[in-house]
Formats: sequence, structure tokens, C-alpha cells
Amino acid sequence: DTEVTQTPKHLVMGMTNKKSLKCEQHMGHRAMYWYKQKAKKPPELMFVYSYEKLSINESVPSRFSPECPNSSLLNLHLHALQPEDSALYLCASSQGFTGPYGYTFGSGTRLTVV
Amino acid sequence: AQRVTQPEKLLSVFKGAPVELKCNYSYSGSPELFWYVQYSRQRLQLLLRHISRESIKGFTADLNKGETSFHLKKPFAQEEDSAMYYCALSGRSGGSNYKLTFGKGTLLTVNP
Repeated sequence: DTEVTQTPKHLVMGMTNKKSLKCEQHMGHRAMYWYKQKAKKPPELMFVYSYEKLSINESVPSRFSPECPNSSLLNLHLHALQPEDSALYLCASSQGFTGPYGYTFGSGTRLTVV
Repeated sequence: AQRVTQPEKLLSVFKGAPVELKCNYSYSGSPELFWYVQYSRQRLQLLLRHISRESIKGFTADLNKGETSFHLKKPFAQEEDSAMYYCALSGRSGGSNYKLTFGKGTLLTVNP
């Protein structure tokens, strides 16, 4: 299995809802990432997990709460989002933490906040 | 701080013509550079890593540390090359953490 799987593919939520995005990989990668991508823009890093511990938080608002229950799973819990949070949320993983390993990206969850 | 600059938002060429997508970077250490491609409605895919010096789908990229560049080249463009191309740099972000930073991307259109 050489893929990163994200569910759901699409999500519409109200500003008072609580929802979660899920990401799964079975490549034995020990680094996992959440990125946010707006239309026609590059992905922007949100969080980095290494060995299931949060190692980078790019000053993301607390309405986004990441969780790494085990080495294969990464969740992003959403609560009280704003319409401007609507975007494609990408999960990625990599074999190592230092430079030369490329990232494997999932196909993303397209989130719409209404 | 690390920064990646792709000066062209849009690039349009005809099928069979050479294509070069420019990428310049700023990083105080020894960078690891990548090209990613995103075809319409598809996931972001790794195209090239500078460390492997490989050629994928006819594309090559050479790291020029003197010019701090990592331009992507292909001698004969094909219509199926039409996509968004992102240059990315992996660099240290405090302590032992590394992060991948993307340029703004170049949308390549290959016309028949």
C-alpha cells in the first residue's frame, strides 16, 4: 500500500458543528502532516507529527485540533469554523524527517463551511 | 527562513516545444529541493527530487547552488504535461524539525 487515504472526500459543515477529518497510511512513515490549500494557491503547512508527537504547529487557530492516535492515523478535529476556513485539507506522510524524502499526499478533503 | 520563488504564474507553450519552469530559493543551509505536480482534479504528486538526479516523464531539474535555482526542464512538451507545478524546499525549521515549503506554483498549458 503506497497511498495516503483521506476521508471524507467532501464535507459541508455549519459554523457551530464539530467534525473530524481522517488520514491513514500503511507505509510505515513516521512523519505525518496537515496542509491547507486554497484554490489556485500552494499548500500551506498546518501541523507536523513525528513519531506520533506534534513537532510543528504553524500558529494554527485552536478551532483546528490535530490528533495522532497511532503511527498510521492522523485526525484533524474541527470546531466553530469560519467560512474562510473553506479549503482543501491535505494530509501527507514521509519516510523520514530530514531533507531528501519526498512527501506522499492524500487526495484531500474539500471542506465547505456555511 | 526558507523561501521558494516561482516567478511565472502562467506558462503556455505549444506541443513539441521546449519548456522551462523557473524556481529560485532562499535558504541558509544545504537545501533539499523537489518538484511536485498537480494535474486537474488529481492529488499532488512528487515529480522529482534533486538528490536523485532522475528524469521522470522526460523532465529534469538541476540544482545550481551558485544561482540558488532548481529549474524544471523538458525538451519536448506534451499536451498531457498541462498541470500546476510546484517547486518545494525541505529545510530545518527550529531544532531538529524539518518542513516542506512550496512556491506559489506555475500553471503550465501545452497547446496542440
